Amino acid sequence: GQQLNQSPQSMFIQEGEDVSMNCTSSSIFNTWLWYKQDPGEGPVLLIALYKAGELTSNGRLTAQFGITRKDSFLNISASIPSDVGIYFCAGSGSARQLTFGSGTQLTVLP
Amino acid sequence: NAGVTQTPKFRVLKTGQSMTLLCAQDMNHEYMYWYRQDPGMGLRLIHYSVGEGTTAKGEVPDGYNVSRLKKQNFLLGLESAAPSQTSVYFCASSSRPTGVGNQPQHFGDGTRLSIL
Repeated sequence: GQQLNQSPQSMFIQEGEDVSMNCTSSSIFNTWLWYKQDPGEGPVLLIALYKAGELTSNGRLTAQFGITRKDSFLNISASIPSDVGIYFCAGSGSARQLTFGSGTQLTVLP
Repeated sequence: NAGVTQTPKFRVLKTGQSMTLLCAQDMNHEYMYWYRQDPGMGLRLIHYSVGEGTTAKGEVPDGYNVSRLKKQNFLLGLESAAPSQTSVYFCASSSRPTGVGNQPQHFGDGTRLSIL
């Protein structure tokens, strides 16, 4: 099946710093999604990407759909304490089922 | 503004017991999904449904059964629970298939299931 490699697994950053995480796939995806999960809750959609090369922003978050359709990155600028959580990438190919990355645990230090 | 609601939120079972997890959505979505989430791993698709009365296998279907008798409900059953099924289970729904237009999946808050 399709495999997603998400990195880094965890990050510790100072409040105010920028953050970058990425996902790569072994196969081509038609859709890339980025979710955030807070403790005890389900994933919440942050950004959805549907076209290769697409660059989309949502407030301090920016994500891009790689030209090769096998990768995507998420940037968070000027991090704040409420950014703490687990960030998941997810991709969908021809089967139209979501494959999730293993997540990036983000900790923001005051 | 309920969205996707899962019940129960927590449950502890003994090996061999059976139980059913309920997922209800009030968004009139056609598509519903059951995932499991294990430590250090992303969500893995167990079963999904593309409409009332239909179900299909996902990535890890063994040991689970599902039913979609009503459009708004998607049930996940464990006939004989095993310790390997200890996990957090998430239900999701969407109005269209993933990747078709701007209609991503919406998730519930999860059911934490422990099998002793």
